Amino acid sequence: KQEVTQIPAALSVPEGENLVLNCSFTDSAIYNLQWFRQDPGKGLTSLLLIQSSQREQTSGRLNASLDKSSGRSTLYIAASQPGDSATYLCAARLWTDSWGKLQFGAGTQVVVTP
Amino acid sequence: GAVVSQHPSWVICKSGTSVKIECRSLDFQATTMFWYRQFPKQSLMLMATSNEGSKATYEQGVEKDKFLINHASLTLSTLTVTSAHPEDSSFYICSARGGLGLERGETQYFGPGTRLLVL
Repeated sequence: KQEVTQIPAALSVPEGENLVLNCSFTDSAIYNLQWFRQDPGKGLTSLLLIQSSQREQTSGRLNASLDKSSGRSTLYIAASQPGDSATYLCAARLWTDSWGKLQFGAGTQVVVTP
Repeated sequence: GAVVSQHPSWVICKSGTSVKIECRSLDFQATTMFWYRQFPKQSLMLMATSNEGSKATYEQGVEKDKFLINHASLTLSTLTVTSAHPEDSSFYICSARGGLGLERGETQYFGPGTRLLVL
């Protein structure tokens, strides 16, 4: 069974610093990996999706990399802002699952202080 | 992006009653919908997967008679918590995905969640 781990569980940085969030997975046969943001008491917002054939994806200040051989994905957020405070979740989908079930990590709670 | 709605957003009920939660994909046809449960400060736990017109497939440890799922159309899935008890209090989130080869077939779009409190 695919296991997804996110370290650290919580992170606090001053405004302007770059954020580095880590996600590791045990089964390298992933179809894609997705990063989400969740605000308190809210649903999930999709940030970036990386297909297994890709090594990275970028959207604005966000950049996500994927290294299947080492079982890792990293989300970089440049020049953090207080509005970036949220919980960030990564989720992996396996090739073997035709329905597209996602296996979630426990998330990293980020606080950006002004 | 695609929009998935859930109704209600909040529900408080007495122990022993049943509660129905609706999940709708507003601007695309969702061949597959997923139901998740999330406890405070924990990640999402997949409860079941449903395909339109088929019976839902439940994850291990999830009681199918307790959590009834109906995926009646390509835009609507419902989760009914039957005879709810305080331990069923949680945040329930649905997500929707289009089919292979269809637009938006790769990404899951999540609803805003429904917070259930059973007294």
